[in-house]
Amino acid sequence: DAMVIQNPRYQVTQFGKPVTLSCSQTLNHNVMYWYQQKSSQAPKLLFHYYDKDFNNEADTPDNFQSRRPNTSFCFLDIRSPGLGDAAMYLCATSGSGGATDTQYFGPGTRLTVL
Amino acid sequence: GQNIDQPTEMTATEGAIVQINCTYQTSGFNGLFWYQQHAGEAPTFLSYNVLDGLEEKGRFSSFLSRSKGYSYLLLKELQMKDSASYLCAVTNSNYQLIWGAGTKLIIKP
Repeated sequence: DAMVIQNPRYQVTQFGKPVTLSCSQTLNHNVMYWYQQKSSQAPKLLFHYYDKDFNNEADTPDNFQSRRPNTSFCFLDIRSPGLGDAAMYLCATSGSGGATDTQYFGPGTRLTVL
Repeated sequence: GQNIDQPTEMTATEGAIVQINCTYQTSGFNGLFWYQQHAGEAPTFLSYNVLDGLEEKGRFSSFLSRSKGYSYLLLKELQMKDSASYLCAVTNSNYQLIWGAGTKLIIKP
């Protein structure tokens, strides 16, 4: 089945220790998104790729970086995680990023920062 | 600013009907989505409205009034598995998806 896969599902890191979250998709979608979602809050868009074009949200901290080496994979790097970065990180894809495009989400990675 | 307003939490009884409202103020409008999110899981797509009126899909229906900046999600014949958060999201004129914080729906036997 075509899908969006995220690894790991649960990640524990120490304060300040870099961590990388991964996302892969078999939908062959052009657009990939990274969201941060804290409990009972709306998903917050961190950045997205339209194909290889990287789009950073204005309020995304520099501590968050992303890489998309090919159509199928996208990575979220948190260079120095703080306690406030503990959250669910959601990867999503859409076909073209158009207005009617549905975003399809992976299962998420829950990040704990100790 | 842009914002999406939904009730924080609602409670309903198994077998009943519940309506979850969403009002929005965005820079332009290119459609409204409803997603379901179970605790600890990712959102899953439920419906999309871009024209005024009611879209029915099984037990779930979604309504849109663009002139009022208003939508609702109607869930019929509630089942325990419908206990989840329901997120409203609007695509604005820049094709950005603006998300609400979600409505936590609690179903009681």
